[in-house]
Amino acid sequence: QLQLQESGPGLVKPSETLSLTCTVSGGSITSSTYCWGWVRQSPGKGLEWIVSKYYSGRTFYNPSLKSRVSISVDASKNQFSLNLNSVTAADTAVYYCARHYADVNWFDAWGQGTLVTVSS
Amino acid sequence: DIVMTQSPDSLAVSLGERATINCKSSRSVLNSSNNKNYLAWYQQKPGQSPKLLIYWASTRESGVPDRFSGSGSGTDFTLTISSLQAEDVAVYYCQEYYATPMCSFGQGTKIEIK
Repeated sequence: QLQLQESGPGLVKPSETLSLTCTVSGGSITSSTYCWGWVRQSPGKGLEWIVSKYYSGRTFYNPSLKSRVSISVDASKNQFSLNLNSVTAADTAVYYCARHYADVNWFDAWGQGTLVTVSS
Repeated sequence: DIVMTQSPDSLAVSLGERATINCKSSRSVLNSSNNKNYLAWYQQKPGQSPKLLIYWASTRESGVPDRFSGSGSGTDFTLTISSLQAEDVAVYYCQEYYATPMCSFGQGTKIEIK
């Protein structure tokens, strides 16, 4: 049974960098069948796709966030991570890590989500 | 960008009755090369992450009860719950993935018991 679990600080100061990690269990992050991504959910904007990454290296970004986002994969730990820099209050949201097939972006597995609040 | 608009925003339905949610995309999500609609539906219960219900507009994910069905093509889609159960109280979202892996979601429709 595939499981994804987000971890990271729940509070980030404005202008700083939000960093989250997703640990995958019950499946390999190196599978070429799947792509690994992040989705956030805020009261104001609903569900918003942030970024997706193939283990092979190809990465796709939401254009509205591309300049502030990076994603990395650590195969040795079966983890992938999100960095979002220069955060503002508008980045306050529940952040989910999720999996989708490599050639179609419906998310068939989600983490439980982690609330990140941007506040001084 | 494709904008997804759901209606209504909320819906109160009696147990055992039919619930219908609409989703409209700002442009067609039908891929003429494979005749597939790039549209998915999710269910999100309070305090939980979204759960995939339907993809390709009408294909149920494994384990999803058959009271859930999806229909539509092009720009107009519908999620139907044929006989509402108490455990179906949730917010439902449509998602287009026409430009995979880029995608966008509808704003959500909340279903409650009347």
